[in-house]
Amino acid sequence: QQPVQSPQAVILREGEDAVINCSSSKALYSVHWYRQKHGEAPVFLMILLKGGEQKGHEKISASFNEKKQQSSLYLTASQLSYSGTYFCGTEDGTDSWGKLQFGAGTQVVVTP
Amino acid sequence: DAGVTQSPTHLIKTRGQHVTLRCSPISGHKSVSWYQQVLGQGPQFIFQYYEKEERGRGNFPDRFSARQFPNYSSELNVNALLLGDSALYLCASSFGTGYYEQYFGPGTRLTVT
Repeated sequence: QQPVQSPQAVILREGEDAVINCSSSKALYSVHWYRQKHGEAPVFLMILLKGGEQKGHEKISASFNEKKQQSSLYLTASQLSYSGTYFCGTEDGTDSWGKLQFGAGTQVVVTP
Repeated sequence: DAGVTQSPTHLIKTRGQHVTLRCSPISGHKSVSWYQQVLGQGPQFIFQYYEKEERGRGNFPDRFSARQFPNYSSELNVNALLLGDSALYLCASSFGTGYYEQYFGPGTRLTVT
């Protein structure tokens, strides 16, 4: 089942903060976050696993509330390079391992 | 290290034709997944292969098929192309199946006319 992302879009000035949410109606085993710039492939940002383990490659933080079946991505002190569309992908059970269900995306625009 | 590679980059086909898309995963990765991304939407899961076996299939018609080779590269085949098959086809590479990061290739932009 496709997760729901909010907001659909956000406009920030450089240095401002934003939060992107990803919610599911199913119990989640993992949440994967990606950023995609126009005309490019999604770039892996972070994976959050049931039980609290996190693995990421950039200075962007996220949280995973297993009870609420929700994850949030925190863009802190945003930079121009943060602009793009952010997607969350979820795995909701052992029979869905590796089969990411993606949300519709959150478009982020960071202005000077 | 080289990332995920896909070929071709762009492709234009006519309705009813067949297409083959190719993907080479990151060295050491044994799993390849295929996704379709229509403009303005998130990627949709098509197939996952791990150690040359199909481990998952999304909600796509039988016109879509795939396979993984002994070197872990993969092919996605689409028969009897429809206009609605026009999309960006993404290949994602991961070390294993489940709980592993997936790294996407640059994609193949397929246009069906």
